[in-house]
Amino acid sequence: NAGVTQTPKFQVLKTGQSMTLQCAQDMNHNSMYWYRQDPGMGLRLIYYSASEGTTDKGEVPNGYNVSRLNKREFSLRLESAAPSQTSVYFCASSEALPSELFFGEGSRLTVL
Amino acid sequence: AQSVTQLGSHVSVSEGALVLLRCNYSSSVPPYLFWYVQYPNQGLQLLLKYTSAATLVKGINGFEAEFKKSETSFHLTKPSAHMSDAAEYFCAVSDLNSGGGADGLTFGKGTHLIIQP
Repeated sequence: NAGVTQTPKFQVLKTGQSMTLQCAQDMNHNSMYWYRQDPGMGLRLIYYSASEGTTDKGEVPNGYNVSRLNKREFSLRLESAAPSQTSVYFCASSEALPSELFFGEGSRLTVL
Repeated sequence: AQSVTQLGSHVSVSEGALVLLRCNYSSSVPPYLFWYVQYPNQGLQLLLKYTSAATLVKGINGFEAEFKKSETSFHLTKPSAHMSDAAEYFCAVSDLNSGGGADGLTFGKGTHLIIQP
């Protein structure tokens, strides 16, 4: 029962470096999401993909890009990392709401 | 646009006492409401959800929540706290008028539940 799998789990970057967070789900869900979690801020939506081939901006998209590679995979890219992007990133998937979101275990990113 | 307010960033209760975590929402239409729990260094998992059926919703681990439209509230309760309930709890709302709900959930800022022995 893999569910939603995120890689890497931990990453340390220097300011200006780039990286891609990978996410894959094996539940045949149409919708996928990237959230960031910061202390006292809850979870904020970065980007989402309602179905294969579509992506849309969420609440905090600046500094990020996404790719819905296929129905299973949804990646998040930081082109030029900044310290403000230090956070825990969560990928989630769901069938059309109001179904629940299924979350990965998170990717902890530190930008120095 | 919908929003969620969780009153109290930290709530402390004694083991065996009642747990009450408060959540108020704002939405232009009756929303779908969720409570999630997050244990340390883990992702979020669903406790329960309200989707316009019964207003009293029962979830896992003895938790339940009541939807009160007049108060725009969806408070989470558990009659008797256990040490294993210590975690972060998030209330979330989905507004089907917003992209059919496919644009995800809007989360509150979370409440950290502390259980005193």
